[in-house]
Amino acid sequence: DQQVKQNSPSLSVQEGRISILNCDYTNSMFDYFLWYKKYPAEGPTFLISISSIKDKNEDGRFTVFLNKSAKHLSLHIVPSQPGDSAVYFCAANISNQFYFGTGTSLTVIP
Amino acid sequence: EPEVTQTPSHQVTQMGQEVILRCVPISNHLYFYWYRQILGQKVEFLVSFYNNEISEKSEIFDDQFSVERPDGSNFTLKIRSTKLEDSAMYFCASRAVRGINSPLHFGNGTRLTVT
Repeated sequence: DQQVKQNSPSLSVQEGRISILNCDYTNSMFDYFLWYKKYPAEGPTFLISISSIKDKNEDGRFTVFLNKSAKHLSLHIVPSQPGDSAVYFCAANISNQFYFGTGTSLTVIP
Repeated sequence: EPEVTQTPSHQVTQMGQEVILRCVPISNHLYFYWYRQILGQKVEFLVSFYNNEISEKSEIFDDQFSVERPDGSNFTLKIRSTKLEDSAMYFCASRAVRGINSPLHFGNGTRLTVT
């Protein structure tokens, strides 16, 4: 039962360039999508979210894009900074349940 | 900024022992959750709690698990008889309201090691 998938376990990007993290989902009833960032030995930290009625939400260097027809979500970080190096989880919500992807480990190279 | 706090940060126990993991959710939040993450795997839902009762639970949350909100601030997860496969990071989370634009806020987790 893997309703949310992150197919890239890792990504490396040069500092200053764009980081694009991808997420796919299977349940068309999801109505709220989120990205979390996780450092080692810490809990996931909420980063940005988007409702299913929108296709884009921007917050500073972070933009989330939602393509409902493709059931695809992406997170763009621009410009990427070394402090962005972490594991990023996408999550999808329906009712009171959240489903998480397996995470993508982002490394931003100075 | 208010945060979810969890204690202890690391718990080592012997197989068959009972453990209680503690959490203090954000004070004005209404929905509480436990998730776990086995090393190298995804974050898995265990249980959600609202209005002093379990609202949803996963297949993982069997009779060995229980949750309680004993005093209006703490939210606990009890594992009655731990097994080796219970070794994982356990995350508590809370949410202000149900619906969109209300994200989960996580604690820093308790690393449970069952030997």
